[in-house]
Amino acid sequence: ETGVTQSPTHLIKTRGQQVTLRCSSQSGHNTVSWYQQALGQGPQFIFQYYREEENGRGNFPPRFSGLQFPNYSSELNVNALELDDSALYLCASSGGGRNTEAFFGQGTRLTVV
Amino acid sequence: AQSVSQHNHHVILSEAASLELGCNYSYGGTVNLFWYVQYPGQHLQLLLKYFSGDPLVKGIKGFEAEFIKSKFSFNLRKPSVQWSDTAEYFCAVNFNDMRFGAGTRLTVKP
Repeated sequence: ETGVTQSPTHLIKTRGQQVTLRCSSQSGHNTVSWYQQALGQGPQFIFQYYREEENGRGNFPPRFSGLQFPNYSSELNVNALELDDSALYLCASSGGGRNTEAFFGQGTRLTVV
Repeated sequence: AQSVSQHNHHVILSEAASLELGCNYSYGGTVNLFWYVQYPGQHLQLLLKYFSGDPLVKGIKGFEAEFIKSKFSFNLRKPSVQWSDTAEYFCAVNFNDMRFGAGTRLTVKP
């Protein structure tokens, strides 16, 4: 176990709806990154939060947004869901900086119908 | 643009065969390099990492990788695979954030 927990584990939403995914980072980690992993592909970087501020963003539209809280847990929000948003969403926490490894949660499987 | 390429989409080996999975990245600056493994139904786990120093790094479960700066490569190797190594393997590079390759599915036949 990595100490990174994500909820819920599975979720089914309808196109056009909004969804919030949650992540509790490993104790002592101040950086949280979110990834989208479509079936058969590698994780794609969505964004990263460091001490409650967005600290880097991948090639995702603004309807993907996030938050990080003072305890360093994090949320990923996706508005106006599209069918292509169906994927495994991964959260990773790290101690910050480039010389640290990321620890991943088991992910939230989102299905948009 | 910064990117990570894994050459093999699906590799099928028999037990005891040797393994080498290719990984290349495009970035001229200093990078940190990782290999992660994802067993069916499990979370991504770190196999090994390279930050600096000896370019030949050893990880868990008998895996090793060699960083060749001139080739922008970080290939994963294992001398003798086991059935339990069946999994998806991801190369990752930490530019300012972690970027992953598309992954290589390894199937080891008993």
